[in-house]
Amino acid sequence: NAGVTQTPKFQVLKTGQSMTLQCAQDMNHEYMSWYRQDPGMGLRLIHYSVGAGITDQGEVPNGYNVSRSTTEDFPLRLLSAAPSQTSVYFCASRLGQFNEQFFGPGTRLTVL
Amino acid sequence: AQSVTQPDIHITVSEGASLELRCNYSYGATPYLFWYVQSPGQGLQLLLKYFSGDTLVQGIKGFEAEFKRSQSSFNLRKPSVHWSDAAEYFCAGAYSGAGSYQLTFGKGTKLSVIP
Repeated sequence: NAGVTQTPKFQVLKTGQSMTLQCAQDMNHEYMSWYRQDPGMGLRLIHYSVGAGITDQGEVPNGYNVSRSTTEDFPLRLLSAAPSQTSVYFCASRLGQFNEQFFGPGTRLTVL
Repeated sequence: AQSVTQPDIHITVSEGASLELRCNYSYGATPYLFWYVQSPGQGLQLLLKYFSGDTLVQGIKGFEAEFKRSQSSFNLRKPSVHWSDAAEYFCAGAYSGAGSYQLTFGKGTKLSVIP
């Protein structure tokens, strides 16, 4: 199993550009989540999904969109990038509510 | 609102010394609690978790944590720290009232180890 994979590893955007961060898992996990990590802030939940076709907002959803058309993939879209979205983004997945959450390696995004 | 607090931003210990990282939670009911470790430039790895039952939980890499309801704490401990333990440690909680048990993370404690 590859586990949770994220692409790209690094990305630089200009303000106003849009892009999609990719996340995939091959463990047949129902639950998937996106977090952002900023220095001194820990990890904050952006959006999550409890199965294909079902998504919900987390703590900091503004400026981000998600969709879950398959069990494997959970892309995160930045609609119009802003410098405040400069961060490290982590995707995570777990089998169910009470199971261990597995994290991807992260995407480091810089918005100029 | 539910929250997890890690009071120490940075801790430095000597190799071979004991370690305790503090975590306090604020939830309306008993939460599910976790400790994760993050090495520089890496993702997060689960060290241990508490769901119910025995309040002393054993994890990987020689770590353990004790759930104390009276103190709303879930402190992480290790009897003898190794240089490879230098990393950032995150406490996290999940609450049954938060829908699908989404994790709330503390802000992390960075551990430095002196040879």
